[in-house]
Parts: sequence; structure tokens; C-alpha cells
Amino acid sequence: SQQGEEDPQALSIQEGENATMNCSYKTSINNLQWYRQNSGRGLVHLILIRSNEREKHSGRLRVTLDTSKKSSSLLITASRAADTASYFCATDAKGYSTLTFGKGTMLLVSP
Amino acid sequence: DSGVTQTPKHLITATGQRVTLRCSPRSGDLSVYWYQQSLDQGLQFLIQYYNGEERAKGNILERFSAQQFPDLHSELNLSSLELGDSALYFCASSFGLAGRTGELFFGEGSRLTVL
Repeated sequence: SQQGEEDPQALSIQEGENATMNCSYKTSINNLQWYRQNSGRGLVHLILIRSNEREKHSGRLRVTLDTSKKSSSLLITASRAADTASYFCATDAKGYSTLTFGKGTMLLVSP
Repeated sequence: DSGVTQTPKHLITATGQRVTLRCSPRSGDLSVYWYQQSLDQGLQFLIQYYNGEERAKGNILERFSAQQFPDLHSELNLSSLELGDSALYFCASSFGLAGRTGELFFGEGSRLTVL
């Protein structure tokens, strides 16, 4: 089964609005990463947050991590049509040497 | 461009056939990962190699096998293909083990269609 589960499955917003996606996971992790996938293309790394960090920023991206709730959120501020893509969280679980991905959130940003 | 090269980009074949997907990792990366992406199952981890040795196995079917060669390129062999094997197969690479040293770099995928 998937380690991470994103919520919502799909999100539709207007340009300029903020988009928030959530990820929940099941076991203890070393770090959590967010990736983006444009339709049918390869995944691209966005940001990594370590288990001892609570918040991280990168440009218009803000990621939070709550290890007590085993959850993370990705906030994209001032969204653009070009942000339209699927977003995946991936966890590096303790005791494993691989990344496990969720099923993703499909974000549609309309002009 | 991630630096990870996958061939072929598209492949159409019939049930019962065998195909080989090839991956060249990013220069300097020692780890190669294979993932299968389908609409209903999402992105499923198949197998990982590190410097030529199998490191971790995920939901890889017995009909599937992989290897990493001394030059670090990898091949994923899919045999006795079934309709349900139709999917996008991704290769990813990293210098060390996934997550510990940072991100994975993904190729553009090989889209397999089994008719």
C-alpha cells in the first residue's frame, strides 16, 4: 500500500489564488519530499523537508511537516496556469532505502 | 532535462511478448530505481539497484526482472506481458540511497501499451 496519501485528489482554482495540498503517511520517516509531474512527463523534485524540520520555503512554495500527526502540506501561493500539474508527496521511511509515493493531487489552475 | 535517459519512449506490443526498457542514470549517480505508474495504482516502486547490486524490491512481479550493469545503466525486462502491464515505466537515479542524499531525478518514462 502507499505510504503517503494526498488530499484532495483534485483541486481546481483560479490564477492568483493559493493552492494547498495535504499528505498523510503511516510510519516514521527520515524526510518527506514533494514532486511535480506535468501530464505524462517525468517527476520533478520540488522540495525536501527533514523530520526535524517543521516548515520550509522555496520561492512560492511552503511546506510544513507535523510528525506527531504524520502529515505534511504543500502551499503554492499566487498560483499560475503553469502550475497546472500533479503533485506527489514521497516519504523516506525509516528502515527503508527507497521513496514511496502517494497517488498525487491533480491541480488545475485556470487563467 | 534531468540527465536521466530512458528508451524507448513508446512501445506497443502484444500479450505474451517480452520487452526491455533501458535507463541511463544521471552522470555520477550510483542508484537506479524503477517505478510503474498506472491510473489505478499510482506510482508503484518496483526495484532499486545501487552500484550494480539489488538494494530493494517493491511490488515487482515475478515476470519482471531488472539489472544494473557495470557502466551503471539499467534494464527492466518485462515478460509474458498482460494487458494490465500497460503503464508508464519510470527510471530514476540518485547519487546515494533514496531520500538520504536528497532528490530522485526522473527520466521521461517509457510508455508501454500491451494490446
